[in-house]
Amino acid sequence: NAGVTQTPKFRVLKTGQSMTLLCAQDMNHEYMYWYRQDPGMGLRLIHYSVGEGTTAKGEVPDGYNVSRLKKQNFLLGLESAAPSQTSVYFCASSYGSGQETQYFGPGTRLLVL
Amino acid sequence: QKEVEQDPGPLSVPEGAIVSLNCTYSNSAFQYFMWYRQYSRKGPELLMYTYSSGNKEDGRFTAQVDKSSKYISLFIRDSQPSDSATYLCAMSERVPAAGNKLTFGGGTRVLVKP
Repeated sequence: NAGVTQTPKFRVLKTGQSMTLLCAQDMNHEYMYWYRQDPGMGLRLIHYSVGEGTTAKGEVPDGYNVSRLKKQNFLLGLESAAPSQTSVYFCASSYGSGQETQYFGPGTRLLVL
Repeated sequence: QKEVEQDPGPLSVPEGAIVSLNCTYSNSAFQYFMWYRQYSRKGPELLMYTYSSGNKEDGRFTAQVDKSSKYISLFIRDSQPSDSATYLCAMSERVPAAGNKLTFGGGTRVLVKP
């Protein structure tokens, strides 16, 4: 039981490049989330999904897109990376409504030059 | 003004001391309160979870919620060097149709010195 895994662990991009971050969970959770963590800002929700095939915007969605084609996977895409997107990205999952415990992955460090 | 405020620290204490952490918030609709522990270069892990007001104890950890003051606390007794981490408070209104969206504080870095 690996819990929540994220790929890649670290990536360097040039401004304007695109990339996809992959999150996978093996706990059969319905809900999945993408956060970004910046110094002093805590974690801020980018997008989330309440089930396979559904996505919704969080607090800071601009510049990001997501897809949840399979229940166990949640992809975060950056179409045209900007230096402001330099951050640590965390994926999380939870059972669903009524269960507030979110389980986090180890994070992806992204540097945009 | 941030919805959830948390002193960034660092908070340095000697081993065996009591660590006292707190968060203040402005949204009176928050009902669920959590504390996460995050080790360096790791993801956050849930430490304590409290609904509404009151106290909750789990081993060396005690979480307190005072909704009237919009203030939550986490106490760590008999602190150990392994408690050195960043502690994040998180809160939720619980909107079932929209998922369990959490609002996080910025985190307090704690250093427990042997």
